[in-house]
Amino acid sequence: AQSVTQLDSQVPVFEEAPVELRCNYSSSVSVYLFWYVQYPNQGLQLLLKYLSGSTLVKGINGFEAEFNKSQTSFHLRKPSVHISDTAEYFCAVSDRDDYKLSFGAGTTVTVRA
Amino acid sequence: NAGVTQTPKFRILKIGQSMTLQCAQDMNHNYMYWYRQDPGMGLKLIYYSVGAGITDKGEVPNGYNVSRSTTEDFPLRLELAAPSQTSVYFCASSPELRLTEAFFGQGTRLTVV
Repeated sequence: AQSVTQLDSQVPVFEEAPVELRCNYSSSVSVYLFWYVQYPNQGLQLLLKYLSGSTLVKGINGFEAEFNKSQTSFHLRKPSVHISDTAEYFCAVSDRDDYKLSFGAGTTVTVRA
Repeated sequence: NAGVTQTPKFRILKIGQSMTLQCAQDMNHNYMYWYRQDPGMGLKLIYYSVGAGITDKGEVPNGYNVSRSTTEDFPLRLELAAPSQTSVYFCASSPELRLTEAFFGQGTRLTVV
């Protein structure tokens, strides 16, 4: 099973500033990569996913992520955040021959005015 | 557009009591999962199922049991509740062997006192 490391547990950011959330995973075998968002008191919602093809993936709400195979990373970015982006963000990885997701510990993003 | 439905949303149990967390999906997905979410730990897989009648342990199965008599339902049973089982529980489902996306329920917040 994959090990997933989210390098920042808390990220405070001002409104309209850019944000980057870092994610590294353990194995360089073929993987599927995901970012999920959890708003307060809600379930997990898929932000974006990398299955194959272009290493730059665009998701909902203006987020994008870049897959870097050599660095086994899948960092999430947004050029300008809103107050409504305050949430917890989870990176998740699945080996292509597996049907289980491994999750990182999560990064809490707090957007301030 | 129900998706994955979990009941109850909240529950308080006394030590030693038992309960069943219900999970139902209406997307005809073969693969279903139970995760628990603890602060700073991300989501850990408890049990999963690849189809009706087939279940298997995840990372943290101790203290839990599951069954899968139908494609739609995947209940999680706690037989002797312990304080260590205080957590938020998420059920998820996926349509494919290769996990290209998982759909999550809203979660059940369980407190054992």
